[in-house]
Amino acid sequence: GQNIDQPTEMTATEGAIVQINCTYQTSGFNGLFWYQQHAGEAPTFLSYNVLDGLEEKGRFSSFLSRSKGYSYLLLKELQMKDSASYLCAVILDNYGQNFVFGPGTRLSVLP
Amino acid sequence: ETGVTQSPTHLIKTRGQQVTLRCSSQSGHNTVSWYQQALGQGPQFIFQYYREEENGRGNFPPRFSGLQFPNYSSELNVNALELDDSALYLCASSLEASYGYTFGSGTRLTVV
Repeated sequence: GQNIDQPTEMTATEGAIVQINCTYQTSGFNGLFWYQQHAGEAPTFLSYNVLDGLEEKGRFSSFLSRSKGYSYLLLKELQMKDSASYLCAVILDNYGQNFVFGPGTRLSVLP
Repeated sequence: ETGVTQSPTHLIKTRGQQVTLRCSSQSGHNTVSWYQQALGQGPQFIFQYYREEENGRGNFPPRFSGLQFPNYSSELNVNALELDDSALYLCASSLEASYGYTFGSGTRLTVV
């Protein structure tokens, strides 16, 4: 089966840095996504990694190590609006189907 | 450029009934995927349609079926509803093999 693990909940302070980890064991791998989902809203795309290394996009960075089956999302200069669930998802094949999501990490940013 | 729209936003059905959920893809997108998201969990892949053909399916029974129309809008049909079908149903569209998936806001289905 496919297995993606993330911490269930995290708490951080406004202005701080937080790292959300994701580990995966899947039958295939064609890239890893991070999505942000506010309660009751659609997931919105944050990042996509297919090669090892760090991808930086403003306050958000995502890292991938394929040999370790590991990724993290780094959020800097946290803002209250960053309080949301963060979903890690793996594409298993190159046809874009079978998009497997982790359970999500609920991040609470405190003043 | 419009995003992905889903209807209805909320729905309450009785166990054993049938339901149809609708999704209008983002303009220019010919691929649509459907996901079931139970409360507090990540989305689970149901199936994907590409140019009106189903080209991928997750671990869901046959009572979950779908259609994609020539204008690339899509429907998810669920027969013989069960209480465990209560969830948020998300639709996501993309263009060809690109991975620019855009999600709709979902339909919240409650089965009583």
